[in-house]
Amino acid sequence: AQTVTQSQPEMSVQEAETVTLSCTYDTSENNYYLFWYKQPPSRQMILVIRQEAYKQQNATENRFSVNFQKAAKSFSLKISDSQLGDTAMYFCAFMKRGLNFGNEKLTFGTGTRLTIIP
Amino acid sequence: GAGVSQSPSNKVTEKGKDVELRCDPISGHTALYWYRQSLGQGLEFLIYFQGNSAPDKSGLPSDRFSAERTGGSVSTLTIQRTQQEDSAVYLCASSLTGVKHEQYFGPGTRLTVT
Repeated sequence: AQTVTQSQPEMSVQEAETVTLSCTYDTSENNYYLFWYKQPPSRQMILVIRQEAYKQQNATENRFSVNFQKAAKSFSLKISDSQLGDTAMYFCAFMKRGLNFGNEKLTFGTGTRLTIIP
Repeated sequence: GAGVSQSPSNKVTEKGKDVELRCDPISGHTALYWYRQSLGQGLEFLIYFQGNSAPDKSGLPSDRFSAERTGGSVSTLTIQRTQQEDSAVYLCASSLTGVKHEQYFGPGTRLTVT
């Protein structure tokens, strides 16, 4: 079974600053995907960024980037130039690669509540 | 296009009653997932559909929980004889089968059992 650990229950940062959210995971799988999801007060889970385990290059999406360390089983999220709209719960999630690229369930961490201070 | 929709948005029910929660996935998405989000347990997987069949229902917490999907589209999660510990937000997600594996979530149904 897979486990995902987010050790920072809450974080806050000044607007326009950079913040890094931590995530570690434990798995015996070699082929898998990692995700960061954002959940604002509206409750809607929004995909922020995804990373395939077989890719060495770290994924980036505009102001969001990850630091993926496969050997250390670490997958942190960096938010640059933080904005008020980034205030939300952030969940790290793991998905093993299914047979024939089949779908699999997500295993989530407990989340980090991020507050951007104006 | 339209995203994943869920109904009702909120549901309050008395202990012992049955409830049905509905999920409309994104058109064309073959995979559909149900998750539960509660204060004590965090985000938990419940069941996964590929088309109309459920290859993984390992997360259903008891036989009071069941789900079905018809026409490869709409899914209904049914909780029988609700208990207070069933109070949670029930989230539905859908995805295409293939290499991207990105799950798109609905807004959830908040269930409160009194």
